[in-house]
Amino acid sequence: DAGITQSPRHKVTETGTPVTLRCHQTENHRYMYWYRQDPGHGLRLIHYSYGVKDTDKGEVSDGYSVSRSKTEDFLLTLESATSSQTSVYFCAIRETGLTYGYTFGSGTRLTVV
Amino acid sequence: ELKVEQNPLFLSMQEGKNYTIYCNYSTTSDRLYWYRQDPGKSLESLFVLLSNGAVKQEGRLMASLDTKARLSTLHITAAVHDLSATYFCAVDIGTDKLIFGTGTRLQVFP
Repeated sequence: DAGITQSPRHKVTETGTPVTLRCHQTENHRYMYWYRQDPGHGLRLIHYSYGVKDTDKGEVSDGYSVSRSKTEDFLLTLESATSSQTSVYFCAIRETGLTYGYTFGSGTRLTVV
Repeated sequence: ELKVEQNPLFLSMQEGKNYTIYCNYSTTSDRLYWYRQDPGKSLESLFVLLSNGAVKQEGRLMASLDTKARLSTLHITAAVHDLSATYFCAVDIGTDKLIFGTGTRLQVFP
């Protein structure tokens, strides 16, 4: 268990409001990721981080921003939530070592109404 | 841009039968992952394939990687109901990113 905690687990929010999702890890991993999962699309990368204050965009970054001020926390913000951002959001970490794998958090189910 | 394609997208199979899920990707990579996801749950790592010709087996599942063909397969032997889930392949091309296929939803019936 890579010690990944996502919060909240569920959230319902209104269109146009800002929303922040949190990913917390306890094992000092350098790389962290945010994905969204939608039917028919698998998991798509939103943003990722390769260190404190070092982030980059993924495939579907429009409408999202991220921040990483501490190694253990990676925040995903929806600036102004839209119904198209209703999704399940997963955080992941990349493990260390030559045979590294990726471990995923439990997910956050976000509904924008 | 890396594209990862899985087929079939949906697979309904009878218990005891064998089948194969295919994962094709468009850019050279020697690092491929298979995950399982149960409804409403997170992703569970099944296999990490790290070189051409790599083969890994766990129970009724066997995964292989052919980097020259840019193809990975997940073979199911003598399916049982407990294998019903969605299976994803994902490719790491060394750019610090993991890109997923669309997933294969497997249903095993008696």
